[in-house]
Amino acid sequence: SQQGEEDPQALSIQEGENATMNCSYKTSINNLQWYRQNSGRGLVHLILIRSNEREKHSGRLRVTLDTSKKSSSLLITASRAADTASYFCATVYGSSNTGKLIFGQGTTLQVKP
Amino acid sequence: DARVTQTPRHKVTEMGQEVTMRCQPILGHNTVFWYRQTMMQGLELLAYFRNRAPLDDSGMPKDRFSAEMPDATLATLKIQPSEPRDSAVYFCASGLVQLAGTYNEQFFGPGTRLTVL
Repeated sequence: SQQGEEDPQALSIQEGENATMNCSYKTSINNLQWYRQNSGRGLVHLILIRSNEREKHSGRLRVTLDTSKKSSSLLITASRAADTASYFCATVYGSSNTGKLIFGQGTTLQVKP
Repeated sequence: DARVTQTPRHKVTEMGQEVTMRCQPILGHNTVFWYRQTMMQGLELLAYFRNRAPLDDSGMPKDRFSAEMPDATLATLKIQPSEPRDSAVYFCASGLVQLAGTYNEQFFGPGTRLTVL
């Protein structure tokens, strides 16, 4: 029943490199959010992009949204070992009045020092 | 530093026992969500509340799970009787929905890791 699907499922890079994760979804959305989960911890909200926005930045994070392709990407620039975590996209249905988040399966990112 | 708290952090129990998990949402948030995370299924939404009223619990096995918000500072998720397949990490999250059609981020608690033997 997942709305979003992340790609790739796993990603391993060297410190300093950029990491790009993609998310595809199925139906119209109100907004799309990215969350990070460190091992054994709860999810932490990273960034939210609304359906009428195309790009958003927050520090080393850059999120794009293409509603025509029903896809989003998260770019982490100049990665650090501390960025090692799982990253999830989550969508809020546009036609829903609930605010429910539907999560994808996540991308596991490993940044090697 | 406002945050969502959950208790207990870890729970090991035997099949058939009752399990109660508690969550204290961030003060002022009007929406509370319960999620379950497993390797196989990922993150699943079990139930959620708006202004303490249950809005949707369609993700929850009704015969054994129940969720309540006795007051604005406490949400509970109960499993009775528990089964080994209930073993998972259960997360509570809270958020603030202010305007119709405007939905913002959710703040997650640290989770309760449940093991049913």
